[in-house]
Amino acid sequence: DTAVSQTPKYLVTQMGNDKSIKCEQNLGHDTMYWYKQDSKKFLKIMFSYNNKELIINETVPNRFSPKSPDKAHLNLHINSLELGDSAVYFCASSLRTSGNGDEQFFGPGTRLTVL
Amino acid sequence: AQSVTQLDSHVSVSEGTPVLLRCNYSSSYSPSLFWYVQHPNKGLQLLLKYTSAATLVKGINGFEAEFKKSETSFHLTKPSAHMSDAAEYFCVVSRTGGGNKLTFGTGTQLKVEL
Repeated sequence: DTAVSQTPKYLVTQMGNDKSIKCEQNLGHDTMYWYKQDSKKFLKIMFSYNNKELIINETVPNRFSPKSPDKAHLNLHINSLELGDSAVYFCASSLRTSGNGDEQFFGPGTRLTVL
Repeated sequence: AQSVTQLDSHVSVSEGTPVLLRCNYSSSYSPSLFWYVQHPNKGLQLLLKYTSAATLVKGINGFEAEFKKSETSFHLTKPSAHMSDAAEYFCVVSRTGGGNKLTFGTGTQLKVEL
């Protein structure tokens, strides 16, 4: 069983389009995250949700909107896609938000290419 | 504020020789420190973590790291490299009890040659 899954694995789209990436975890964790990995492999947190409540919102353009319908799912919707949005997006989950160094479990990533 | 610096962007070793990947951290608070590994086109996997218990931390696949507060370092080592160790390695810091926000280093690509 996959612990943290993401769909789709690859996403190729045109500038200006709107797209969504879905994430699901079956670990029973309370907290989920979105990270962006750029072409230089640098990873940066975008958002974190704890039990459907937004906890961390880094300086991400408001074209990016996370949605958590329940604590096992955290989707990422992106409006008006730009070339600079091309990256690999990783979803992750952890047991708690404030745990002492709780491990984060990562999904396989979604490679987004904006043409 | 917290940050990590990975001192080498690329490290190349021969199979069977020791591995050393260097990481220095900066944190205003008591940090938790992690090493994650990313194999090509894969997600990230936790190798090991330090959370203010023992300073020498053992992880999976024979890796270990030592937390040295005086040197603000958390270097990753392995006595004998295997071909399957070739991957990107990330040193990561989070603030203990601070929302579990991970701050990643820029990564070290480990190449293992025959």
